[in-house]
Amino acid sequence: GAVVSQHPSRVICKSGTSVKIECRSLDFQATTMFWYRQFPKQSLMLMATSNEGSKATYEQGVEKDKFLINHASLTLSTLTVTSAHPEDSSFYICSASGGTTDTQYFGPGTRLTVL
Amino acid sequence: SQQGEEDPQALSIQEGENATMNCSYKTSINNLQWYRQNSGRGLVHLILIRSNEREKHSGRLRVTLDTSKKSSSLLITASRAADTASYFCATPASGYSTLTFGKGTMLLVSP
Repeated sequence: GAVVSQHPSRVICKSGTSVKIECRSLDFQATTMFWYRQFPKQSLMLMATSNEGSKATYEQGVEKDKFLINHASLTLSTLTVTSAHPEDSSFYICSASGGTTDTQYFGPGTRLTVL
Repeated sequence: SQQGEEDPQALSIQEGENATMNCSYKTSINNLQWYRQNSGRGLVHLILIRSNEREKHSGRLRVTLDTSKKSSSLLITASRAADTASYFCATPASGYSTLTFGKGTMLLVSP
């Protein structure tokens, strides 16, 4: 089946620093990638949708200058949390779809803790 | 906005029992999907049911869809401790690609 990886799985950083999270589709070409954020015991909230080679579409309330998304190739998308603050601490999950858009394949998630 | 709403929010059962989770949604859909998430992990796609389907099976999973009531149910039969996880329903938002997730049901299966 389709496999999506994320790196790193966990990251702890100081307030004010930037953190980059990678999302890779390992065995298929992902024309669309999605980034979600999940706070403890809550559901996934879509942050943005990115199509390869074009700018990401951000959901309402998500600051595009704070959460930089790059989808430069069909197998890699990155999310950079700039000037991270403790309230950005969360579980970030990416997903990817390619070919049929009915199914998204999810990465294992990245736990970000901002001190 | 939240499209899917699951109930119950939490369900605790014994191994061998059946677990039923329900999901309601608000707008017309092309399909509805169920996902599973183990604690602190990513999501695993369980099953997709299309709007013209009423029931679908996959192993110990049975999903129903009632478009007139805008609701779906996920039944896990003969539950196992390894089924302990959160279960989410998700529906495509406008267009096809984006998914909107419900709040989820936390299932605890005790040995």
